[in-house]
Amino acid sequence: NAGVTQTPKFRVLKTGQSMTLLCAQDMNHEYMYWYRQDPGMGLRLIHYSVGEGTTAKGEVPDGYNVSRLKKQNFLLGLESAAPSQTSVYFCASHDGGLGNEQFFGPGTRLTVL
Amino acid sequence: AQKVTQAQTEISVVEKEDVTLDCVYETRDTTYYLFWYKQPPSGELVFLIRRNSFDEQNEISGRYSWNFQKSTSSFNFTITASQVVDSAVYFCALSGSGTASKLTFGTGTRLQVTL
Repeated sequence: NAGVTQTPKFRVLKTGQSMTLLCAQDMNHEYMYWYRQDPGMGLRLIHYSVGEGTTAKGEVPDGYNVSRLKKQNFLLGLESAAPSQTSVYFCASHDGGLGNEQFFGPGTRLTVL
Repeated sequence: AQKVTQAQTEISVVEKEDVTLDCVYETRDTTYYLFWYKQPPSGELVFLIRRNSFDEQNEISGRYSWNFQKSTSSFNFTITASQVVDSAVYFCALSGSGTASKLTFGTGTRLQVTL
């Protein structure tokens, strides 16, 4: 089992460029999440999904879009990147059971110049 | 709204010292779940423990122990006889019932253990 994987691991963008981050999980989990981690701010939820074809906004959704066309994949898109989106992005998955832990991917370090 | 406060930004200890990381939470849910995650210098997030709101029994796992007190809304983490390998950022997190198990994280405590 690979668990949760994220592609790419690192990326540098110029302001205004677009990109998509891919998250994949092989645990058949229903729930998936995208968080961003910034210095001194912990992890903050961007968007999440409770099942294939569903998405919802988290705490900091502006500037991002997501899609969950397949149960195992959760994509995070930046349509027009801004320097404020420089961050480390973590994807997580969860089996839907109350109180169970989320499983995190290794993270993607994104720099927007 | 839920909130998790980790007031200690950074702690430095010498190896073999005991250290306690504080976590205070706020929630209106009567059923909720608390977690600790470790983020070593390599950057991944490692799950350490979860505790539900109706189980206040403290837990010990090797050198790690957790003290959950609903009366003070705290879920503190103690490392006994710290080691250099314990150096990491530690996050406390909270999820409520019926919230798609979304996590609200604290800002983390960076623990530096030196020889």
